[in-house]
Amino acid sequence: QVQLQESGPGLVKTSETLSLKCNVSGVSINTYFWSWIRQSPGKGLEWIGYVYFSGSGSTNYNPSLKSRVTISGDTSKSQFSLKVNSVTAADTAIYYCARLRAGGFDYWGQGILVTVSS
Amino acid sequence: SYELTQPPSVSVSPGQTARITCSADALPRQYAYWYQQKPGQAPTVVIYKDSERPSGIPERFSGSTSGTTATLTISGVQAEDEADYYCQSADNSGTYWAFGGGTKLTVL
Repeated sequence: QVQLQESGPGLVKTSETLSLKCNVSGVSINTYFWSWIRQSPGKGLEWIGYVYFSGSGSTNYNPSLKSRVTISGDTSKSQFSLKVNSVTAADTAIYYCARLRAGGFDYWGQGILVTVSS
Repeated sequence: SYELTQPPSVSVSPGQTARITCSADALPRQYAYWYQQKPGQAPTVVIYKDSERPSGIPERFSGSTSGTTATLTISGVQAEDEADYYCQSADNSGTYWAFGGGTKLTVL
């Protein structure tokens, strides 16, 4: 059974770096694409980007966030990570990690609320 | 940027049929996915690859596409179906993923 679990600080100061991890279990992290998605309070869903570890690996980011986002991973720990630089209040959201397969997101973590505040 | 357009809200009485539409340029080429999200919970897939239903999803949920419009149909709506529903697909290049703005389904 595929399971994903986000972890990281729930509060980040304005202008600092948001860092989250997603632990994957029940499947090899090397086989699929893994994404981060966020949802601002009371708003819709926004795809942030994905990482793929097989072969030489690859990443792809939402152009609106590309300049501030890095997604990477540690396959030995079956984890992948998200970093968002220079955060503002607009980055306050529930952050989800999810598996991307055949064009959609079939397994999701429970989500973690990250609040950006000075 | 790539956009998917959904109605903000749909209301139906129990036992009726609810239809939620999603319009986007890439839908003739890319699969549509539909997610159900209840308060305080992560989204869950109710329809994948336009019309496939995951195991455990009731048969009253179905999906279809025609041209640039995908439709989620819930036949015989039940009170437990009250939730937000989001459509999602990749853009024409298959390198950018986007969600619709969400539709709040209210069961009267």
